[in-house]
Amino acid sequence: LAKTTQPISMDSYEGQEVNITCSHNNIATNDYITWYQQFPSQGPRFIIQGYKTKVTNEVASLFIPADRKSSTLSLPRVSLSDTAVYYCLVGDQASSASKIIFGSGTRLSIRP
Amino acid sequence: GAGVSQSPSNKVTEKGKDVELRCDPISGHTALYWYRQSLGQGLEFLIYFQGNSAPDKSGLPSDRFSAERTGGSVSTLTIQRTQQEDSAVYLCASSSRTGNTEAFFGQGTRLTVV
Repeated sequence: LAKTTQPISMDSYEGQEVNITCSHNNIATNDYITWYQQFPSQGPRFIIQGYKTKVTNEVASLFIPADRKSSTLSLPRVSLSDTAVYYCLVGDQASSASKIIFGSGTRLSIRP
Repeated sequence: GAGVSQSPSNKVTEKGKDVELRCDPISGHTALYWYRQSLGQGLEFLIYFQGNSAPDKSGLPSDRFSAERTGGSVSTLTIQRTQQEDSAVYLCASSSRTGNTEAFFGQGTRLTVV
């Protein structure tokens, strides 16, 4: 399993764009990059997933450079409700034995 | 149901007692996970049921922990002779197919061992 490294915490203000970068230097050819969001007292929620270049949905964008050794989750115009822990993980979608392992995550705090 | 359902939502038990936690995954989902999350900590992987293959039990912390998945649907996590360090939120997740890293989580069971 490719290990991921992300900042322990980040702070920002309402209305700002927030970018959280994750390093995964040992990512394998079949690995996809997935991000989850977890609010206090809730289970994690899938946000976005990608393989290369850029993926965008109604919640966030995911930027993946050509070498795929890192990825950046971008949250546009954050609000107080975006305060949560964000987890980056990589996994081989082609292998049934591939399991979902979470790292420490990034604790994002949004201030008024 | 539409989502992953876990029961009970809260459980207080005495040290040394056995507990059973239940997970109802999304219908048709072949992959099922159990995790443990202590206060302020990340998610600790416990066990992974991967369709018809043998479950991956590599995350179970001791032989007091076991899990079953009957008929490819409902799963039960059993903790025998509970200890205070077992106190945590136990989360279940299911995924539409094995290997898919898009999973759906339940609300968890908060276990308190007194």
